[in-house]
Amino acid sequence: DSGVTQTPKHLITATGQRVTLRCSPRSGDLSVYWYQQSLDQGLQFLIQYYNGEERAKGNILERFSAQQFPDLHSELNLSSLELGDSALYFCASSLLGRPSYNEQFFGPGTRLTVL
Amino acid sequence: DQQVKQNSPSLSVQEGRISILNCDYTNSMFDYFLWYKKYPAEGPTFLISISSIKDKNEDGRFTVFLNKSAKHLSLHIVPSQPGDSAVYFCAATDGGGADGLTFGKGTHLIIQP
Repeated sequence: DSGVTQTPKHLITATGQRVTLRCSPRSGDLSVYWYQQSLDQGLQFLIQYYNGEERAKGNILERFSAQQFPDLHSELNLSSLELGDSALYFCASSLLGRPSYNEQFFGPGTRLTVL
Repeated sequence: DQQVKQNSPSLSVQEGRISILNCDYTNSMFDYFLWYKKYPAEGPTFLISISSIKDKNEDGRFTVFLNKSAKHLSLHIVPSQPGDSAVYFCAATDGGGADGLTFGKGTHLIIQP
């Protein structure tokens, strides 16, 4: 158990809909990262928050957004969903703001299916 | 453009033997490399890492080697055990950018009894 929790575990929705994925980092960790794992692309970095502020952006679509709250939990919002958004979404956390020399601990993921 | 490549989608090794997983990268700005292990229905679990100032790092049965000139790293598992059967991901980052980790597509390691 990494100490990172993600809810829900599974989510099934229809195209055009909007969903929110939630992540609680390990106790004491200030940084949260979101990753998408799809069959053809592997694990792709989406976005990072550090102590409530956006720190880095990866391959995140404009239809997607995230935020980190004062209690350090984070939410990833996915809107206008398309079939291709079906994937596993992982949250990771680390103590510091930089991934270098600072391992990331991953949650169990949320499996999103868009029908 | 894939900056971290794991060219072997799967690898089968006999229990007790050495498992060698390979990873190549193209971005010369990467200065820190990590290996993660993933079981089905779980998130990736950190295994071992190496900084670009080193060429080897060892932790128990796991050793990572880094060849900067070849932009190549490898993970050695000795001896291989049945519980090592999993998907192994190589990841890299350039510390200054704090851009999250760039992952390879993974190698599925199967340990045969």
